[in-house]
Order: sequence, then C-alpha cells, then structure tokens
Amino acid sequence: GAGVSQSPSNKVTEKGKDVELRCDPISGHTALYWYRQSLGQGLEFLIYFQGNSAPDKSGLPSDRFSAERTGGSVSTLTIQRTQQEDSAVYLCASSFLSRSSDTQYFGPGTRLTVL
Amino acid sequence: AQSVTQLDSQVPVFEEAPVELRCNYSSSVSVYLFWYVQYPNQGLQLLLKYLSGSTLVKGINGFEAEFNKSQTSFHLRKPSVHISDTAEYFCAVVGGGSYIPTFGRGTSLIVHP
Repeated sequence: GAGVSQSPSNKVTEKGKDVELRCDPISGHTALYWYRQSLGQGLEFLIYFQGNSAPDKSGLPSDRFSAERTGGSVSTLTIQRTQQEDSAVYLCASSFLSRSSDTQYFGPGTRLTVL
Repeated sequence: AQSVTQLDSQVPVFEEAPVELRCNYSSSVSVYLFWYVQYPNQGLQLLLKYLSGSTLVKGINGFEAEFNKSQTSFHLRKPSVHISDTAEYFCAVVGGGSYIPTFGRGTSLIVHP
C-alpha cells in the first residue's frame, strides 16, 4: 500500500519568504507528527496531531511556524518569513494510533534551503 | 524527562564484520525503545522495538538489540554486515505516557568492502 508522501521533495527559497510543506499520511492513520532534521542533530519534534484533538505544538521553535491537518488526513506545515537557520529536512510521520508503543511511518522528507 | 545518547556519531566497519551501535537512555519511568534506519535520501523505517518481555529483540535485516534495564542501554548488533547496511541509525525512547519519541542524534554506519 501507499506510504507517507511529502511534497515538494526539495524547496529552495529566499530569506523572508513563506513556504508550505505538505504531508499525506497513510490512509487510516490517526496520528501525525512533524520533525525537523538538521545535519548531525537528529530529529527535533515540531508538532503532533491526534484525530480531532487539539494539536501538541510544544516543539514549534517560534511563532513563524504553524501547521494544520485538514479532515484528519493531509497536513501542511507553514513557515513564515523564513530564516537561514530554518534550512533542514522536514520529516512527516504517521501512526495508526497514538499509543507510545506504535511504530511511526516516515515520509521521505522535504529538504528546505533558505538562501 | 527522557533523553537518548548515541555514543558514536560514526562507525566504520568492513563488510562481513560484526558491528554494535550503542544507545543509552535516561528516563524516570518505564519506556519503550526503538531503532530506526534511514537510507540515503529516504525517511526513517523501523528496524525493531522493545515493548516488554524478552530483552533480546530481533528485527529486520538480521539486526537485533538487547534491552538492559540496569545499564539503561539498548545496543544494536549485527553479526555480519553488508555494504547495503550503510545508513544512518537512530535510537528512540518513549515513556511516561508521552506519545512523542525522543530521538538520539544518530550513528552513521559505513561499511567498507
């Protein structure tokens, strides 16, 4: 079956511009996560959605970052007024439920470069 | 709070040699432990996970890991590596009712012919 997909795969933007990154989770998965992966830094949690509950935004690094999940499926991560330090790979993951023991299924990521 | 330390940022090894990738965690509560692998230009995929029961966990591609509660470790091992095992390996911990895993910084396994 189809896995988690993300678009675009690569995004180059100029400092100060806004960007939108898209994630399509596996059909039927109720939990969705966004992470940021910087070189040598591992995965940094950004935001978590579970069903119709309010998202856990505790990992968002600043108010320039926001995310939505429409209809319990597709999610969009928006970064406003991008800065060079926002350059990273943004990974999306989904899981069937939101139990601690659940496996997360990751998309291939969007590589964001801010010039 | 929970944290994960992957002690080696890079592990070079020759093909067919054994390998161990180290992972230590800290948590004040019971945890679930995971190893994920990331091949170049791909997302992460699960290698194996420890939930409960036997402390020796077997995963895909011939990898296994042993949960050691007293040493708070979850080291990943493979008795004989292949060139195709060259990838980034991440250890992760979830515990204390949280749904959000904490990932280590990753270990780059480089297998030489």
